[in-house]
Amino acid sequence: AIQMTQSPSSLSASVGDRVTITCRASLGIRNELGWYQQKPGTAPKLLIYAASNLESGVPSRFSGSGSGTDFTLTISSLQPEDFGTYYCLHDHNYPLTFGPGTKVDIK
Amino acid sequence: EVQLVESGGGLVQPGGSLRLSCAASGFTFSSVYMNWVRQAPGKGLEWVATIREDGSEKYYVDSVWGRFTISRDNANNSLSLQMNSLRAEDTAVYYCARDRGYCSGGTCYAVFDYWGQGTLVTVSS
Repeated sequence: AIQMTQSPSSLSASVGDRVTITCRASLGIRNELGWYQQKPGTAPKLLIYAASNLESGVPSRFSGSGSGTDFTLTISSLQPEDFGTYYCLHDHNYPLTFGPGTKVDIK
Repeated sequence: EVQLVESGGGLVQPGGSLRLSCAASGFTFSSVYMNWVRQAPGKGLEWVATIREDGSEKYYVDSVWGRFTISRDNANNSLSLQMNSLRAEDTAVYYCARDRGYCSGGTCYAVFDYWGQGTLVTVSS
């Protein structure tokens, strides 16, 4: 099974900061990766699919990039409502695998 | 409006069984893949199972293979997860998630765009 890692595991940033989260796959997965945001006590929310496609309704400050084994989720200007945990998910083949998550706090 | 509503969670003893259901509405259920994803208390997300639109293909994470069965009833817009031989490590909130899919350049991608609210399964004596 393809293993996914994320870094950092957590971060604290100020409103307006540029935030970058990295996801790495143990094998090349082309661009078969999505990003999800989860707030405490709620279901995950889709942000990005196919590595760089912004889901409808998601603010444009979110962007995704990468291909192969290395991927990035960027929040260009962090907002108070962006707190939560961010997960990558590869869909290159089965079994699908989520990354361990990156917890984002607002300073 | 797309809605996914899980039910069937609860407390079960190790070795026991439980059947989760997910009632879908607001979209053409028979046209999409469906999934189960779980989250153990305080832990990250874990994909559990996927079923094709017509139920002809099913996929599972290794840890539930042979114990869990995903199924769907397209006539009644419902998804199920039959869980047998439950273990303490199966304790989690279980979410059903719609995969609307996205295809481009000959590749199709998983797009989990709608999720239910989750149902808690606790395996304990």
